[in-house]
Amino acid sequence: KAGVTQTPRYLIKTRGQQVTLSCSPISGHRSVSWYQQTPGQGLQFLFEYFSETQRNKGNFPGRFSGRQFSNSRSEMNVSTLELGDSALYLCASSPVGTGGWDEKLFFGSGTQLSVL
Amino acid sequence: AQSVTQLDSQVPVFEEAPVELRCNYSSSVSVYLFWYVQYPNQGLQLLLKYLSGSTLVESINGFEAEFNKSQTSFHLRKPSVHISDTAEYFCAVSSHLNTGNQFYFGTGTSLTVIP
Repeated sequence: KAGVTQTPRYLIKTRGQQVTLSCSPISGHRSVSWYQQTPGQGLQFLFEYFSETQRNKGNFPGRFSGRQFSNSRSEMNVSTLELGDSALYLCASSPVGTGGWDEKLFFGSGTQLSVL
Repeated sequence: AQSVTQLDSQVPVFEEAPVELRCNYSSSVSVYLFWYVQYPNQGLQLLLKYLSGSTLVESINGFEAEFNKSQTSFHLRKPSVHISDTAEYFCAVSSHLNTGNQFYFGTGTSLTVIP
């Protein structure tokens, strides 16, 4: 099985622009989560999608949004970029069972976003 | 809500020496605990997990962690490290929420194994 695929690998944007990141989960995985990773802050949870619905949301401003498509692929959008948004954005998929929860996350390699 | 504290941001250790990476958590509900490892330029990989049962859990590459409920800790240990263990290690906690997956990660510990 192919792993979690994130595109693009690197992005350079300027303040005020917007950006869209893409994540393709492992085939059969219906849960997709997004995390922001920065030095000293570790991983911070952005949101989780399951069957095209946002189930959980972290403490990020409304400039951060996402969506999930019927094939479980997910996109994350950041509008009005700020310097502090520079980070590695990680996507993780999970083989969620009927109970709606699974203990294991499978991570992609991430998209490194630099805001100048 | 849950939170995770990793007390050491960087841990240098000589090859074949033992190592302990510390992790403490806080939560008002029952939790599940994890250690993830991130090698350079890669995503995170699950190293080991505690869900229930025996409080001592092991990974296939010699790491082990012990869940200590009274001390709210889940420290990671290895009796003899290799160069290939150099990586960033993240402790994480989750609970069986009705609304699905939500994991809380620590800030990470960078383990550097010195030849």
